[in-house]
Amino acid sequence: GQSLEQPSEVTAVEGAIVQINCTYQTSGFYGLSWYQQHDGGAPTFLSYNALDGLEETGRFSSFLSRSDSYGYLLLQELQMKDSASYFCAVRERDSNYQLIWGAGTKLIIKP
Amino acid sequence: ETGVTQTPRHLVMGMTNKKSLKCEQHLGHNAMYWYKQSAKKPLELMFVYNFKEQTENNSVPSRFSPECPNSSHLFLHLHTLQPEDSALYLCASSQDHKANTGELFFGEGSRLTVL
Repeated sequence: GQSLEQPSEVTAVEGAIVQINCTYQTSGFYGLSWYQQHDGGAPTFLSYNALDGLEETGRFSSFLSRSDSYGYLLLQELQMKDSASYFCAVRERDSNYQLIWGAGTKLIIKP
Repeated sequence: ETGVTQTPRHLVMGMTNKKSLKCEQHLGHNAMYWYKQSAKKPLELMFVYNFKEQTENNSVPSRFSPECPNSSHLFLHLHTLQPEDSALYLCASSQDHKANTGELFFGEGSRLTVL
């Protein structure tokens, strides 16, 4: 069946680097998305990887390995405003290309 | 003007009430979605509309009734709900219903409490 696994909570220090992992089991994988959601806010799109490798957008990078069914979100130079929940989501053919979501990782940043 | 607007932001209703959630998108997208978000659980896709036509219904109970009068507006009509239906209901839109770039644009949600 379809499933995505990501840690429920990660703690890091302001200014540091943190990596949030996501492993998946899906049918007909097309791509991996990452979203950020602050408490009480809307999920906002961060990145989409359809091919293997690292995509960089400012302080955030996202990585995909299709052969390992694995990806991660890398956040550098952490700021307090990065405290939020981060969701990975897989786009797959067998779900009519709809996104299958992980349960989210709550990122706690300490000063 | 935000891209996707949902009203009301908060709603409390009894199990016998009838209420509706509204979503409006100002992005010119063709697809709109309803998701249910419960604490510490993955987002659950409920309905997908593409050019006003429903393309997905993920075995949602009939007490949830969607309506899409045009590509910019989406409603979720609620009746005889159960306490376990209490959750954050998120509306989203995308250029097309297959979200080719993996990108959805979400509203801030309607927090529903069923007593």
